[in-house]
Amino acid sequence: ETGVTQTPRHLVMGMTNKKSLKCEQHLGHNAMYWYKQSAKKPLELMFVYNFKEQTENNSVPSRFSPECPNSSHLFLHLHTLQPEDSALYLCASSPGTSGYEQYFGPGTRLTVT
Amino acid sequence: DQQVKQNSPSLSVQEGRISILNCDYTNSMFDYFLWYKKYPAEGPTFLISISSIKDKNEDGRFTVFLNKSAKHLSLHIVPSQPGDSAVYFCAASAGAGSYQLTFGKGTKLSVIP
Repeated sequence: ETGVTQTPRHLVMGMTNKKSLKCEQHLGHNAMYWYKQSAKKPLELMFVYNFKEQTENNSVPSRFSPECPNSSHLFLHLHTLQPEDSALYLCASSPGTSGYEQYFGPGTRLTVT
Repeated sequence: DQQVKQNSPSLSVQEGRISILNCDYTNSMFDYFLWYKKYPAEGPTFLISISSIKDKNEDGRFTVFLNKSAKHLSLHIVPSQPGDSAVYFCAASAGAGSYQLTFGKGTKLSVIP
């Protein structure tokens, strides 16, 4: 039990669909993150939220829209995705955003058809 | 350009022997380094970290060594166990207040019984 849960674990969607990924952390952390892991590539940071405020957007296309209603929940809203967006999407949390190890969820395996 | 490099995609080690996983970095601003372990269908799990003010950190069977002049760190696992078989990621962070972890591509360790 990592303390960070993600749903769904697998998602197949068409390019015209709208879907959302959900992340919840039970660790009392203040910071939450979205990462993308594509095949043969390192984990890429997408978004950072600290105390519900977005502090980082790593040039992510607008078809990915994050939402952080509170420090325990993080969403990634998806719309009009491309096949190259197929990847493992990982959520993580940490006590703060400074020099703390991050705790990851199991990820959502997304396939865009 | 990759700032954190794990040049060995895979490593096989006999059970009971030492496993040595290597990581090189190029950014002189990195001052905090972490190792994560990832099993299939799970998110990365924090394993051990080291600050740039140290050159060694030990936790049970796991030891991380940092050579700042060479911009190189390594993870030693002694003795290796079959349950250690996983993908190991090296990650680095730059400075207090930095939340961005830069990851390597990972090394797949197989411990042979």
